Amino acid sequence: ETGVTQSPTHLIKTRGQQVTLRCSSQSGHNTVSWYQQALGQGPQFIFQYYREEENGRGNFPPRFSGLQFPNYSSELNVNALELDDSALYLCASSQAGGIKDTQYFGPGTRLTVL
Amino acid sequence: AQSVTQLGSHVSVSEGALVLLRCNYSSSVPPYLFWYVQYPNQGLQLLLKYTSAATLVKGINGFEAEFKKSETSFHLTKPSAHMSDAAEYFCAVSVGAAGNKLTFGGGTRVLVKP
Repeated sequence: ETGVTQSPTHLIKTRGQQVTLRCSSQSGHNTVSWYQQALGQGPQFIFQYYREEENGRGNFPPRFSGLQFPNYSSELNVNALELDDSALYLCASSQAGGIKDTQYFGPGTRLTVL
Repeated sequence: AQSVTQLGSHVSVSEGALVLLRCNYSSSVPPYLFWYVQYPNQGLQLLLKYTSAATLVKGINGFEAEFKKSETSFHLTKPSAHMSDAAEYFCAVSVGAAGNKLTFGGGTRVLVKP
């Protein structure tokens, strides 16, 4: 069984640029959630996709957007990058969007904004 | 809104000693609670979860946690620390209509001394 994978592993961008991060969900999972983990902090929920529809959003501005594809893989797009966007971005998949469902995390993408 | 507080951002224990990591939650509805572990430069791995069955939950690697509603706590313990337990630990809560959106605490970094 393949776990959650993310690409790229590391990324360096400059302020104002745009970035796309990718996530492949675990086999059999139809829900993907994205989290931002700043250095020394716990992860913060960005948004969740369930069967290609957004299913909840955290306190992040609209320049954070996402997509989920028919194979349930997902993208996180961030426009107009700011220095504070530097963080580890984690993707997690689950079998369904249920409250008890375990989320399985990928290794993350480390984004550095200069 | 729900929240999670982890007391102590750093904990140092001797190998073979008890590991106790504290987690208190705030929620107006019955919560579902999770403990995750994060090793350096990796994603999060589920240790255990509470989903309203038994209040004492056993997880992987010898960890367990007890849900105490009266104290709004879900502390994590392991009777005997091993060097491989050195990592960061996160407590998280999932409630009600939020589906399985996770709200994380700030994390506790565990150092194990030989």
